[in-house]
Amino acid sequence: DIVMTQTPLSSPVTLGQPASISCRSSQSLVHSDGNTYLSWLHQRPGQPPRLLIYKISNRFSGVPDRFSGSGAGTDFTLKISRVEAEDVGIYYCTQATQFPWTFGQGTKVEIK
Amino acid sequence: QVQLVESGGGVVQPGRSLRLSCAASGFTFSSHGMHWVRQAPGKGLEWVAVIWYDGSNKYYADSVNGRFTISRDNSKNTVYLQMNSLRAEDTAVYYCVRWGNWKIFDYWGQGTLVTVSA
Repeated sequence: DIVMTQTPLSSPVTLGQPASISCRSSQSLVHSDGNTYLSWLHQRPGQPPRLLIYKISNRFSGVPDRFSGSGAGTDFTLKISRVEAEDVGIYYCTQATQFPWTFGQGTKVEIK
Repeated sequence: QVQLVESGGGVVQPGRSLRLSCAASGFTFSSHGMHWVRQAPGKGLEWVAVIWYDGSNKYYADSVNGRFTISRDNSKNTVYLQMNSLRAEDTAVYYCVRWGNWKIFDYWGQGTLVTVSA
């Protein structure tokens, strides 16, 4: 199975300041079809996860442009340009390149 | 809008069975694969099972293979998860998730809590 490792596990941030989360996979996430199926999810307290970013850098419908994704191969990053109060919660990276689908352990973002 | 509503969770004794349902609306259900993903209390996400849009293929996590069965009824826009031989470690919120284009978990239900306890 592909292991997804996120850093940091906890990230206290100041409102209006940027935040960054890293995700590293134990194998390349480049699929045989040439795509890289790396997504980011956000889970607010008491809520189900919701999709933010897919295929490394594509924002899902309705996702604010302060969220951006980048990376390639085995190293990926989610950036929030200016953190807002509604951005608190846990962020997960996930891969769909190879069965079984796997998730990172999650990064908790909280306001300082 | 896409809606996924899970039901069927509850408290069950170890070794017993439970069936979860997920009613879908707001999209062409028969065109999408569907997943079940679970989250143990205070823990991260674990993929459980997937079923193809037409039910032709089904895959399971090793942790549930042989005990859980995913199925769907496209005439009822519903996907199911039959859980047998339940264990304490199966205690979790179970989410129904749509499989969107580009292999993404694009829409999630609110989840249903399954507690396995004597």
